[in-house]
Amino acid sequence: AQRVTQPEKLLSVFKGAPVELKCNYSYSGSPELFWYVQYSRQRLQLLLRHISRESIKGFTADLNKGETSFHLKKPFAQEEDSAMYYCALNKAGTALIFGKGTTLSVSS
Amino acid sequence: ETGVTQTPRHLVMGMTNKKSLKCEQHLGHNAMYWYKQSAKKPLELMFVYSLEERVENNSVPSRFSPECPNSSHLFLHLHTLQPEDSALYLCASSQEPGHGELFFGEGSRLTVL
Repeated sequence: AQRVTQPEKLLSVFKGAPVELKCNYSYSGSPELFWYVQYSRQRLQLLLRHISRESIKGFTADLNKGETSFHLKKPFAQEEDSAMYYCALNKAGTALIFGKGTTLSVSS
Repeated sequence: ETGVTQTPRHLVMGMTNKKSLKCEQHLGHNAMYWYKQSAKKPLELMFVYSLEERVENNSVPSRFSPECPNSSHLFLHLHTLQPEDSALYLCASSQEPGHGELFFGEGSRLTVL
Protein backbone atom coordinates (compact mmCIF):
# COMPACT_ATOMS: atom_id res chain seq x y z
CA ALA A 1 0.00 0.00 0.00
CA GLN A 2 1.13 3.52 -0.72
CA ARG A 3 1.65 5.46 2.46
CA VAL A 4 3.47 8.50 3.83
CA THR A 5 4.43 8.62 7.49
CA GLN A 6 5.49 11.69 9.40
CA PRO A 7 6.20 10.41 12.91
CA GLU A 8 6.40 13.79 14.66
CA LYS A 9 3.28 15.84 15.19
CA LEU A 10 5.24 18.77 16.64
CA LEU A 11 8.88 19.79 16.48
CA SER A 12 10.06 22.69 18.63
CA VAL A 13 13.52 24.19 18.16
CA PHE A 14 15.35 27.39 19.00
CA LYS A 15 16.37 29.91 16.38
CA GLY A 16 19.69 28.95 14.84
CA ALA A 17 19.35 25.27 15.70
CA PRO A 18 19.35 22.57 13.01
CA VAL A 19 16.03 21.17 11.90
CA GLU A 20 15.13 17.74 10.56
CA LEU A 21 11.53 16.88 9.74
CA LYS A 22 11.14 13.17 9.18
CA CYS A 23 9.24 11.50 6.38
CA ASN A 24 9.07 7.82 5.48
CA TYR A 25 7.16 6.35 2.59
CA SER A 26 5.85 3.05 1.34
CA TYR A 27 5.65 2.65 -2.43
CA SER A 28 6.35 -0.24 -4.74
CA GLY A 29 7.43 1.77 -7.76
CA SER A 30 9.91 4.57 -8.32
CA PRO A 31 8.79 7.27 -5.88
CA GLU A 32 8.35 10.95 -6.58
CA LEU A 33 8.31 12.91 -3.32
CA PHE A 34 7.53 16.45 -2.28
CA TRP A 35 7.44 18.73 0.72
CA TYR A 36 4.56 21.17 1.07
CA VAL A 37 4.32 23.96 3.64
CA GLN A 38 1.45 25.91 5.15
CA TYR A 39 2.32 29.14 6.95
CA SER A 40 -0.15 30.70 9.35
CA ARG A 41 -3.20 32.08 7.51
CA GLN A 42 -1.81 31.05 4.13
CA ARG A 43 -2.73 28.26 1.78
CA LEU A 44 -0.81 25.04 1.34
CA GLN A 45 2.03 25.45 -1.15
CA LEU A 46 4.88 23.48 -2.65
CA LEU A 47 8.22 23.87 -0.87
CA LEU A 48 10.42 21.48 -2.81
CA ARG A 49 10.48 18.24 -4.79
CA HIS A 50 13.16 15.56 -4.77
CA ILE A 51 13.60 15.61 -8.55
CA SER A 52 14.81 19.19 -8.60
CA ARG A 53 17.41 18.57 -5.88
CA GLU A 54 17.41 22.25 -5.02
CA SER A 55 17.52 24.22 -1.80
CA ILE A 56 14.49 26.38 -1.08
CA LYS A 57 14.59 28.87 1.80
CA GLY A 58 17.62 26.97 3.08
CA PHE A 59 15.75 23.65 3.18
CA THR A 60 16.98 20.50 1.44
CA ALA A 61 15.65 16.97 1.26
CA ASP A 62 17.37 13.87 -0.01
CA LEU A 63 15.58 10.78 -1.18
CA ASN A 64 17.03 7.67 0.48
CA LYS A 65 15.55 4.65 -1.27
CA GLY A 66 17.30 2.19 1.04
CA GLU A 67 15.66 3.69 4.10
CA THR A 68 12.54 4.80 2.18
CA SER A 69 12.94 8.24 3.65
CA PHE A 70 12.75 11.84 2.46
CA HIS A 71 13.67 13.93 5.48
CA LEU A 72 13.57 17.73 5.29
CA LYS A 73 16.59 19.52 6.72
CA LYS A 74 17.78 23.02 7.43
CA PRO A 75 21.06 23.79 9.20
CA PHE A 76 19.90 26.95 10.98
CA ALA A 77 16.22 27.46 11.74
CA GLN A 78 14.60 30.89 11.51
CA GLU A 79 11.46 32.10 13.26
CA GLU A 80 9.77 32.57 9.90
CA ASP A 81 10.17 28.83 9.27
CA SER A 82 7.42 28.15 11.81
CA ALA A 83 4.68 26.41 9.86
CA MET A 84 2.98 23.11 9.14
CA TYR A 85 5.02 20.84 6.86
CA TYR A 86 3.58 18.00 4.82
CA CYS A 87 5.46 15.26 3.02
CA ALA A 88 3.72 13.95 -0.11
CA LEU A 89 4.10 11.03 -2.51
CA ASN A 90 2.99 11.03 -6.13
CA LYS A 91 0.57 8.12 -6.42
CA ALA A 92 1.02 6.40 -9.78
CA GLY A 93 1.02 9.70 -11.59
CA THR A 94 -2.54 10.63 -10.71
CA ALA A 95 -2.45 12.58 -7.45
CA LEU A 96 -0.50 13.21 -4.29
CA ILE A 97 -0.83 11.27 -1.05
CA PHE A 98 0.02 13.34 2.00
CA GLY A 99 1.35 12.54 5.45
CA LYS A 100 -0.34 13.85 8.58
CA GLY A 101 2.00 16.81 8.77
CA THR A 102 4.47 18.14 11.31
CA THR A 103 4.17 21.50 13.00
CA LEU A 104 7.53 23.23 13.24
CA SER A 105 7.80 25.86 15.96
CA VAL A 106 10.93 28.03 16.03
CA SER A 107 11.38 30.26 19.05
CA SER A 108 13.98 32.85 19.88
CA GLU B 1 -8.74 36.81 -9.44
CA THR B 2 -5.76 34.58 -9.77
CA GLY B 3 -4.92 31.12 -8.49
CA VAL B 4 -7.54 28.81 -7.01
CA THR B 5 -10.66 30.27 -5.42
CA GLN B 6 -13.10 28.36 -3.24
CA THR B 7 -16.57 29.39 -2.09
CA PRO B 8 -18.06 29.47 0.41
CA ARG B 9 -15.24 29.73 2.91
CA HIS B 10 -17.51 28.54 5.71
CA LEU B 11 -20.67 26.44 5.56
CA VAL B 12 -22.93 25.10 8.28
CA MET B 13 -25.59 22.63 7.26
CA GLY B 14 -27.99 20.15 8.74
CA MET B 15 -27.92 16.48 7.88
CA THR B 16 -30.94 16.77 5.59
CA ASN B 17 -29.71 19.81 3.65
CA LYS B 18 -28.29 19.92 0.15
CA LYS B 19 -25.46 22.32 -0.53
CA SER B 20 -22.55 22.71 -2.93
CA LEU B 21 -18.94 23.77 -2.69
CA LYS B 22 -17.43 25.60 -5.62
CA CYS B 23 -13.87 25.80 -6.86
CA GLU B 24 -12.50 27.90 -9.70
CA GLN B 25 -8.97 27.99 -11.05
CA HIS B 26 -7.51 30.75 -13.20
CA LEU B 27 -4.23 29.00 -14.00
CA GLY B 28 -5.12 27.22 -17.22
CA HIS B 29 -4.57 23.84 -15.57
CA ASN B 30 -6.05 20.60 -16.86
CA ALA B 31 -6.40 18.70 -13.58
CA MET B 32 -8.46 19.50 -10.50
CA TYR B 33 -8.76 17.74 -7.16
CA TRP B 34 -10.87 17.58 -4.02
CA TYR B 35 -9.11 16.78 -0.74
CA LYS B 36 -10.62 16.41 2.72
CA GLN B 37 -8.68 17.62 5.75
CA SER B 38 -9.95 16.40 9.11
CA ALA B 39 -8.45 16.80 12.56
CA LYS B 40 -5.90 14.09 13.37
CA LYS B 41 -5.99 12.68 9.81
CA PRO B 42 -3.82 13.32 6.78
CA LEU B 43 -5.14 15.11 3.76
CA GLU B 44 -7.42 12.57 2.08
CA LEU B 45 -7.72 12.54 -1.67
CA MET B 46 -11.37 12.38 -2.72
CA PHE B 47 -11.61 12.98 -6.47
CA VAL B 48 -9.37 13.73 -9.43
CA TYR B 49 -10.58 15.30 -12.66
CA SER B 50 -8.64 15.63 -15.88
CA LEU B 51 -10.21 17.83 -18.56
CA GLU B 52 -13.66 17.44 -17.01
CA GLU B 53 -13.35 13.66 -16.84
CA ARG B 54 -13.19 11.95 -13.47
CA VAL B 55 -10.04 9.85 -13.33
CA GLU B 56 -10.14 8.83 -9.70
CA ASN B 57 -12.78 8.31 -7.06
CA ASN B 58 -11.06 7.40 -3.84
CA SER B 59 -13.86 5.29 -2.28
CA VAL B 60 -15.84 8.35 -1.34
CA PRO B 61 -19.43 7.86 -0.09
CA SER B 62 -22.13 8.72 -2.60
CA ARG B 63 -23.42 11.56 -0.41
CA PHE B 64 -20.50 13.48 -1.96
CA SER B 65 -21.09 14.10 -5.65
CA PRO B 66 -18.47 15.93 -7.72
CA GLU B 67 -19.12 17.82 -10.91
CA CYS B 68 -16.63 19.31 -13.35
CA PRO B 69 -18.46 21.26 -16.08
CA ASN B 70 -15.23 22.58 -17.60
CA SER B 71 -11.53 22.55 -16.86
CA SER B 72 -11.75 25.73 -14.76
CA HIS B 73 -14.60 24.80 -12.44
CA LEU B 74 -15.14 22.02 -9.95
CA PHE B 75 -18.09 21.49 -7.64
CA LEU B 76 -18.72 19.20 -4.72
CA HIS B 77 -22.42 18.58 -4.16
CA LEU B 78 -23.33 17.57 -0.63
CA HIS B 79 -26.50 15.82 0.53
CA THR B 80 -27.57 13.94 3.65
CA LEU B 81 -24.18 14.38 5.25
CA GLN B 82 -23.14 13.07 8.64
CA PRO B 83 -21.52 15.01 11.48
CA GLU B 84 -18.26 13.13 10.83
CA ASP B 85 -18.14 14.78 7.41
CA SER B 86 -17.34 18.07 9.12
CA ALA B 87 -13.91 19.05 7.83
CA LEU B 88 -11.95 21.46 5.68
CA TYR B 89 -12.44 20.67 2.01
CA LEU B 90 -9.55 21.73 -0.16
CA CYS B 91 -9.59 22.15 -3.89
CA ALA B 92 -6.37 22.03 -5.89
CA SER B 93 -5.28 22.16 -9.50
CA SER B 94 -2.21 21.14 -11.49
CA GLN B 95 -1.04 21.30 -15.08
CA GLU B 96 -1.80 17.63 -15.62
CA PRO B 97 -2.98 14.76 -13.39
CA GLY B 98 -0.07 13.52 -11.38
CA HIS B 99 1.96 16.65 -11.91
CA GLY B 100 3.41 17.11 -8.47
CA GLU B 101 2.98 20.84 -8.09
CA LEU B 102 -0.51 21.38 -6.80
CA PHE B 103 -1.99 24.82 -6.33
CA PHE B 104 -4.43 24.87 -3.45
CA GLY B 105 -7.39 27.02 -2.60
CA GLU B 106 -7.93 28.32 0.91
CA GLY B 107 -10.53 25.68 1.61
CA SER B 108 -14.19 25.49 2.58
CA ARG B 109 -14.77 24.80 6.28
CA LEU B 110 -17.86 22.58 6.54
CA THR B 111 -19.77 21.92 9.75
CA VAL B 112 -22.56 19.36 9.72
CA LEU B 113 -24.98 19.62 12.62
